[in-house]
Amino acid sequence: NAGVMQNPRHLVRRRGQEARLRCSPMKGHSHVYWYRQLPEEGLKFMVYLQKENIIDESGMPKERFSAEFPKEGPSILRIQQVVRGDSAAYFCASSPMATNYGYTFGSGTRLTVV
Amino acid sequence: DQQVKQNSPSLSVQEGRISILNCDYTNSMFDYFLWYKKYPAEGPTFLISISSIKDKNEDGRFTVFLNKSAKHLSLHIVPSQPGDSAVYFCAASRTQGGSEKLVFGKGTKLTVNP
Repeated sequence: NAGVMQNPRHLVRRRGQEARLRCSPMKGHSHVYWYRQLPEEGLKFMVYLQKENIIDESGMPKERFSAEFPKEGPSILRIQQVVRGDSAAYFCASSPMATNYGYTFGSGTRLTVV
Repeated sequence: DQQVKQNSPSLSVQEGRISILNCDYTNSMFDYFLWYKKYPAEGPTFLISISSIKDKNEDGRFTVFLNKSAKHLSLHIVPSQPGDSAVYFCAASRTQGGSEKLVFGKGTKLTVNP
C-alpha cells in the first residue's frame, strides 16, 4: 500500500521557466491538499482539491500558480514563470474524506529556482 | 500575522528525560490542534491531536495538553529517545464540517542526546 507519491523529489528550474509538481494520493483517497514550506518557515496551506474540483484555493498566490486534480491521474501543481522566491519544499497530502487531521503527507518536491 | 507560534526554534534533552514542546495560538476560532513530526527530506507525519473540548490527550509516550484560556498547548514526550530527534510542528484548524486548512507553526527542532 504505497503512500502519497510526489515527483520529482528535486526540481531545478531557471527563472521564467515552468515547474510542474505531481502528487499521486494514496489508493482510495480522493482529497488532496498542497502545502508549501519556505526556508525557515512552517508549512503554509495552498489549495485543497477533490477529484475534478478545487474546493479551497485561498492559499494560492493570485498569479502564476494553478492546481488540478483530474478524474484520472495525479494532482498537478503548476507554477508558471518561476522566480527565486518560489524556491521551497512543496508537500502534498491526501485523505479518504474531508478531514483536517490525519493527513498523510508525501515526501515533498524541493524546487530550486536558479 | 502568525496565528500559530512555536517560540523555541530548538530544544536539546538527554535520553530518558522529558521533552516539552510549546505552542501558542492567537485565533480563538481554532478548535482542533495537531502535532506533526518531520525528519529531514521526508514529509510531516501525524503524531497526536486534541480537540478543544479536551484538555489532555495521551498516546503512549506522547501527551498533548491544551489550555484554552491561555491559548497554549504543549507536547510532552516521556521518556525521550534518540529516535525522537526531529522537527516538531504544531498545527491548528477550525473544524467547520471538516476540510479546513491547517495553520502550522515554524517548528521546533528536538535533539535527544544518548
